[in-house]
Amino acid sequence: AQSVTQLGSHVSVSEGALVLLRCNYSSSVPPYLFWYVQYPNQGLQLLLKYTTGATLVKGINGFEAEFKKSETSFHLTKPSAHMSDAAEYFCAVSFSGNTGKLIFGQGTTLQVKP
Amino acid sequence: DVKVTQSSRYLVKRTGEKVFLECVQDMDHENMFWYRQDPGLGLRLIYFSYDVKMKEKGDIPEGYSVSREKKERFSLILESASTNQTSMYLCASSPSRRGGRAIATQYFGPGTRLTVL
Repeated sequence: AQSVTQLGSHVSVSEGALVLLRCNYSSSVPPYLFWYVQYPNQGLQLLLKYTTGATLVKGINGFEAEFKKSETSFHLTKPSAHMSDAAEYFCAVSFSGNTGKLIFGQGTTLQVKP
Repeated sequence: DVKVTQSSRYLVKRTGEKVFLECVQDMDHENMFWYRQDPGLGLRLIYFSYDVKMKEKGDIPEGYSVSREKKERFSLILESASTNQTSMYLCASSPSRRGGRAIATQYFGPGTRLTVL
């Protein structure tokens, strides 16, 4: 069965430090990959997505992610954390055709310490 | 910008009540989705619809039904609310991939936090 795993339900970094949020998927076919962010009391907002082409994808707010097929991973990074990055982050994959159904990971809460 | 709105941000209902959660999108999207979000479980798909009057079950449809009479509106119905349906409910929409469009991004509403007492 297709699934998504986010390693670490909580990640804490200091302001200015590297942010690394891990996402692995299981699938026999290459998926489409997404990272969403959810700020407190809000819906989900798209950070970035990988469909085809370049495997390093840049998103909003300085985030980027690299699709590594051999590792079935799509980890999210940001070189320098900002206090405003504190939120919950969701990795998601899509395998289906027209409807674009998504399978979400469990989510990772990012805490940024001053 | 795509806008997805949900009828209520917070809702408190009693066990056994019939509950309607409404979702409206303004971008003429074909696909609409209902998820519930619970801590540690991420988002789980309840139902989705890829066209007016069309619906398909997601991963956790038990205890829920949906209605899509108009393209812009997708309603989630809890026929008889129970305490285990206390959760955050998120609606999303996306365009279809017809015409060779690349994979479609889902756009989310702000969510409805439902408490069933």
